[in-house]
Amino acid sequence: DIQMTQSPSSLSASVGDRVTITCRASQSISNYINWYQQKPGKAPKFLIFAASSLQSGVPSRFSGSGSGTEFTLTISSLHPEDFATYYCQQSYSIPRTFGQGTKLEIK
Amino acid sequence: QLQLQESGPGLVKPSETLSLTCTVTGDSISSSSYYWAWIRQPPGKGLEWIGSIYYSGSTFYNPSLKGRVTISLDTSKNQFSLKLSSVTAADTALYYCARDQTPGVVDAFDVWGQGTMVTVSS
Repeated sequence: DIQMTQSPSSLSASVGDRVTITCRASQSISNYINWYQQKPGKAPKFLIFAASSLQSGVPSRFSGSGSGTEFTLTISSLHPEDFATYYCQQSYSIPRTFGQGTKLEIK
Repeated sequence: QLQLQESGPGLVKPSETLSLTCTVTGDSISSSSYYWAWIRQPPGKGLEWIGSIYYSGSTFYNPSLKGRVTISLDTSKNQFSLKLSSVTAADTALYYCARDQTPGVVDAFDVWGQGTMVTVSS
């Protein structure tokens, strides 16, 4: 199985900050990585596919980059509604696997 | 607008079979070329993919569940179902159904149900 490791596990930031979350794959996955946002009590929301493509309706302050084994999700300027947990997920091979999550909290 | 809704018992006894159904509205699961997936999340933990089924009925499962999983389609009701046998407390989780756009440009779980909590306890 491909292991997906996110860092940091938690992050405190303020509205307006720029934040970056990293996801590392245990082997090369090309650009087969997706990102999701989950708020408490809600289902995950699909944000980014193929490492850097924004899903329709996702604000442009979200961006993704990377290839191979190292990937990043960046929020250029935090809005209050962005405080949530973020997950990466590889779609390179079966079984599909997720990172352990990064909890983004208000400082 | 595509919507998915999970349903099923919220409490299952150890060693029994967990059975859940996902009702799809806004699209026909038998005519759209998508996979349909089950994903779970233990309380306070991360996400685990359980398996996916194609509109034709072909499936692939997470090997970590060691053959306990069966996912099936009921095209007459526009539903797909999950059965997980020989459950233990480790199977206690929030279970989600989702559309799985694999393979393709958008190779991801793009639409999710709201989730249903299943507790394994005697």
